Amino acid sequence: NAGVTQTPKFQVLKTGQSMTLQCAQDMNHNSMYWYRQDPGMGLRLIYYSASEGTTDKGEVPNGYNVSRLNKREFSLRLESAAPSQTSVYFCASTAPGQTNEKLFFGSGTQLSVL
Amino acid sequence: QQQVKQSPQSLIVQKGGISIINCAYENTAFDYFPWYQQFPGKGPALLIAIRPDVSEKKEGRFTISFNKSAKQFSLHIMDSQPGDSATYFCAARDSNYQLIWGAGTKLIIKP
Repeated sequence: NAGVTQTPKFQVLKTGQSMTLQCAQDMNHNSMYWYRQDPGMGLRLIYYSASEGTTDKGEVPNGYNVSRLNKREFSLRLESAAPSQTSVYFCASTAPGQTNEKLFFGSGTQLSVL
Repeated sequence: QQQVKQSPQSLIVQKGGISIINCAYENTAFDYFPWYQQFPGKGPALLIAIRPDVSEKKEGRFTISFNKSAKQFSLHIMDSQPGDSATYFCAARDSNYQLIWGAGTKLIIKP
Protein backbone atom coordinates (compact mmCIF):
# COMPACT_ATOMS: atom_id res chain seq x y z
CA ASN A 1 0.00 0.00 0.00
CA ALA A 2 1.91 3.04 -1.28
CA GLY A 3 -0.41 5.79 0.07
CA VAL A 4 0.27 9.11 -1.68
CA THR A 5 3.02 9.06 -4.31
CA GLN A 6 4.57 12.23 -5.72
CA THR A 7 6.92 12.59 -8.65
CA PRO A 8 9.50 13.91 -9.16
CA LYS A 9 11.23 14.24 -5.78
CA PHE A 10 13.55 17.01 -6.95
CA GLN A 11 13.44 19.41 -9.86
CA VAL A 12 15.43 22.42 -10.98
CA LEU A 13 13.85 24.78 -13.49
CA LYS A 14 14.92 27.95 -15.19
CA THR A 15 12.64 30.97 -14.99
CA GLY A 16 9.91 30.67 -17.60
CA GLN A 17 10.05 26.90 -17.97
CA SER A 18 6.98 24.80 -17.35
CA MET A 19 6.51 21.55 -15.55
CA THR A 20 3.87 19.28 -14.07
CA LEU A 21 4.05 17.72 -10.62
CA GLN A 22 2.33 14.38 -10.44
CA CYS A 23 0.40 12.94 -7.50
CA ALA A 24 -1.42 9.65 -7.14
CA GLN A 25 -3.13 7.99 -4.18
CA ASP A 26 -4.22 4.38 -3.85
CA MET A 27 -6.51 4.76 -0.81
CA ASN A 28 -9.72 5.46 -2.72
CA HIS A 29 -9.83 8.96 -1.23
CA ASN A 30 -12.19 11.55 -2.66
CA SER A 31 -10.43 14.77 -1.71
CA MET A 32 -6.95 15.72 -2.81
CA TYR A 33 -4.82 18.79 -2.13
CA TRP A 34 -1.71 20.61 -3.24
CA TYR A 35 0.25 22.57 -0.64
CA ARG A 36 3.47 24.48 -0.73
CA GLN A 37 5.78 24.63 2.26
CA ASP A 38 8.14 27.52 2.79
CA PRO A 39 10.40 28.13 5.82
CA GLY A 40 8.58 29.99 8.57
CA MET A 41 5.27 29.95 6.71
CA GLY A 42 3.84 26.54 7.39
CA LEU A 43 1.72 24.91 4.71
CA ARG A 44 -0.28 27.00 2.29
CA LEU A 45 -3.04 25.51 0.19
CA ILE A 46 -2.64 26.04 -3.55
CA TYR A 47 -5.59 24.09 -4.97
CA TYR A 48 -7.81 21.28 -3.87
CA SER A 49 -10.24 18.84 -5.40
CA ALA A 50 -13.14 17.71 -3.25
CA SER A 51 -14.05 14.96 -5.69
CA GLU A 52 -13.29 13.72 -9.17
CA GLY A 53 -14.21 16.41 -11.68
CA THR A 54 -14.03 19.37 -9.33
CA THR A 55 -11.20 21.71 -8.41
CA ASP A 56 -11.09 24.86 -6.30
CA LYS A 57 -8.57 27.55 -5.51
CA GLY A 58 -6.87 27.66 -2.18
CA GLU A 59 -4.94 30.44 -0.49
CA VAL A 60 -2.14 30.85 -3.09
CA PRO A 61 -3.35 29.71 -6.56
CA ASN A 62 -1.68 32.33 -8.74
CA GLY A 63 0.81 30.86 -11.22
CA TYR A 64 -0.54 27.33 -10.89
CA ASN A 65 -3.10 25.12 -12.57
CA VAL A 66 -4.39 21.71 -11.59
CA SER A 67 -6.05 18.72 -13.18
CA ARG A 68 -7.98 16.01 -11.40
CA LEU A 69 -7.34 13.35 -13.99
CA ASN A 70 -9.36 10.67 -12.23
CA LYS A 71 -10.08 9.66 -8.65
CA ARG A 72 -6.48 8.58 -8.08
CA GLU A 73 -4.50 11.36 -9.74
CA PHE A 74 -4.22 15.10 -9.15
CA SER A 75 -1.52 17.04 -10.99
CA LEU A 76 -0.13 20.54 -10.44
CA ARG A 77 1.22 22.54 -13.37
CA LEU A 78 3.49 25.55 -13.39
CA GLU A 79 3.07 27.19 -16.78
CA SER A 80 5.88 29.72 -16.49
CA ALA A 81 8.00 29.10 -13.43
CA ALA A 82 9.22 32.03 -11.33
CA PRO A 83 11.86 32.14 -8.58
CA SER A 84 9.04 32.86 -6.07
CA GLN A 85 7.76 29.35 -6.78
CA THR A 86 10.89 27.79 -5.31
CA SER A 87 9.41 25.67 -2.54
CA VAL A 88 8.62 22.17 -1.36
CA TYR A 89 5.32 20.96 -2.77
CA PHE A 90 3.17 18.42 -1.01
CA CYS A 91 0.19 16.51 -2.28
CA ALA A 92 -2.30 15.17 0.25
CA SER A 93 -5.56 13.26 0.33
CA THR A 94 -8.28 12.57 2.82
CA ALA A 95 -10.81 9.82 3.18
CA PRO A 96 -14.51 10.21 2.30
CA GLY A 97 -16.48 11.83 5.08
CA GLN A 98 -13.29 12.85 6.89
CA THR A 99 -13.70 16.57 6.13
CA ASN A 100 -9.98 17.15 6.67
CA GLU A 101 -9.75 15.27 9.93
CA LYS A 102 -6.77 13.26 8.73
CA LEU A 103 -4.65 14.25 5.77
CA PHE A 104 -2.28 11.74 4.21
CA PHE A 105 0.72 13.44 2.64
CA GLY A 106 3.19 12.40 -0.01
CA SER A 107 6.93 12.85 0.54
CA GLY A 108 7.09 16.10 -1.38
CA THR A 109 8.74 17.61 -4.43
CA GLN A 110 11.59 20.02 -3.83
CA LEU A 111 11.49 22.58 -6.63
CA SER A 112 14.12 25.21 -7.33
CA VAL A 113 13.51 27.90 -9.93
CA LEU A 114 16.65 29.72 -10.98
CA GLN B 1 -8.92 36.20 11.45
CA GLN B 2 -7.79 33.12 9.54
CA GLN B 3 -4.46 32.80 11.33
CA VAL B 4 -2.90 30.32 13.66
CA LYS B 5 0.16 31.64 15.48
CA GLN B 6 2.66 29.02 16.58
CA SER B 7 5.58 29.39 18.95
CA PRO B 8 8.43 28.91 19.44
CA GLN B 9 9.99 28.66 16.00
CA SER B 10 12.60 26.25 17.33
CA LEU B 11 13.08 24.39 20.57
CA ILE B 12 15.91 22.38 22.10
CA VAL B 13 15.05 20.00 24.94
CA GLN B 14 17.17 17.52 26.85
CA LYS B 15 16.30 13.85 26.56
CA GLY B 16 13.71 12.98 29.17
CA GLY B 17 12.43 16.54 29.43
CA ILE B 18 9.04 18.01 28.52
CA SER B 19 8.64 19.72 25.15
CA ILE B 20 5.89 22.34 24.92
CA ILE B 21 4.71 24.00 21.71
CA ASN B 22 1.99 26.63 21.73
CA CYS B 23 -0.60 27.82 19.23
CA ALA B 24 -3.11 30.66 19.35
CA TYR B 25 -6.04 31.55 17.13
CA GLU B 26 -8.71 34.22 16.79
CA ASN B 27 -11.49 32.61 14.79
CA THR B 28 -14.02 31.07 17.18
CA ALA B 29 -15.55 29.12 14.28
CA PHE B 30 -12.54 26.78 14.17
CA ASP B 31 -13.84 23.37 15.20
CA TYR B 32 -10.96 20.91 15.03
CA PHE B 33 -7.33 21.27 16.05
CA PRO B 34 -4.78 18.71 14.82
CA TRP B 35 -1.05 18.48 15.34
CA TYR B 36 1.17 17.07 12.61
CA GLN B 37 4.70 15.73 12.91
CA GLN B 38 7.16 16.00 10.02
CA PHE B 39 10.54 14.29 9.71
CA PRO B 40 13.14 15.58 7.22
CA GLY B 41 12.39 14.54 3.67
CA LYS B 42 8.90 13.34 4.54
CA GLY B 43 5.43 14.78 4.46
CA PRO B 44 3.61 15.74 7.65
CA ALA B 45 1.71 12.99 9.46
CA LEU B 46 -1.18 13.39 11.88
CA LEU B 47 0.04 13.01 15.44
CA ILE B 48 -2.92 13.89 17.64
CA ALA B 49 -6.02 16.08 17.41
CA ILE B 50 -8.64 17.66 19.67
CA ARG B 51 -12.10 19.20 19.39
CA PRO B 52 -13.01 22.36 21.31
CA ASP B 53 -15.48 20.61 23.62
CA VAL B 54 -12.57 18.82 25.34
CA SER B 55 -9.85 20.50 27.42
CA GLU B 56 -7.23 17.79 27.14
CA LYS B 57 -6.41 14.76 25.04
CA LYS B 58 -3.61 12.34 25.75
CA GLU B 59 -2.09 9.68 23.52
CA GLY B 60 0.93 8.03 25.02
CA ARG B 61 3.58 10.67 25.69
CA PHE B 62 1.72 13.28 23.63
CA THR B 63 -0.93 15.55 25.16
CA ILE B 64 -2.92 18.42 23.72
CA SER B 65 -4.13 21.03 26.20
CA PHE B 66 -6.95 23.22 24.91
CA ASN B 67 -8.07 26.53 26.44
CA LYS B 68 -11.20 27.66 24.62
CA SER B 69 -11.60 30.94 26.48
CA ALA B 70 -8.02 31.96 25.78
CA LYS B 71 -8.18 30.60 22.23
CA GLN B 72 -4.97 28.70 22.75
CA PHE B 73 -3.86 25.10 22.48
CA SER B 74 -0.57 23.42 23.11
CA LEU B 75 1.28 20.17 22.51
CA HIS B 76 3.16 18.60 25.38
CA ILE B 77 5.67 15.81 24.76
CA MET B 78 6.55 14.04 27.98
CA ASP B 79 9.84 12.17 28.44
CA SER B 80 11.09 13.59 25.13
CA GLN B 81 13.27 11.23 23.11
CA PRO B 82 15.78 11.85 20.29
CA GLY B 83 13.33 10.13 17.95
CA ASP B 84 10.86 12.96 18.64
CA SER B 85 13.20 15.39 16.88
CA ALA B 86 11.07 16.71 14.03
CA THR B 87 9.09 19.73 12.91
CA TYR B 88 5.66 20.05 14.49
CA PHE B 89 2.74 21.92 12.95
CA CYS B 90 -0.49 22.91 14.63
CA ALA B 91 -3.55 23.57 12.52
CA ALA B 92 -7.19 24.58 12.86
CA ARG B 93 -10.14 23.66 10.67
CA ASP B 94 -12.37 26.51 9.52
CA SER B 95 -16.05 26.59 8.65
CA ASN B 96 -15.22 25.57 5.04
CA TYR B 97 -13.43 22.50 6.39
CA GLN B 98 -10.06 23.85 5.29
CA LEU B 99 -7.04 23.62 7.55
CA ILE B 100 -5.22 26.77 8.59
CA TRP B 101 -1.64 25.93 9.54
CA GLY B 102 0.81 27.33 12.04
CA ALA B 103 4.32 28.17 10.86
CA GLY B 104 5.92 25.11 12.45
CA THR B 105 8.32 24.40 15.32
CA LYS B 106 11.60 22.61 14.80
CA LEU B 107 12.18 20.44 17.86
CA ILE B 108 15.59 19.01 18.70
CA ILE B 109 15.96 16.55 21.54
CA LYS B 110 19.53 16.41 22.85
CA PRO B 111 20.73 13.00 24.05
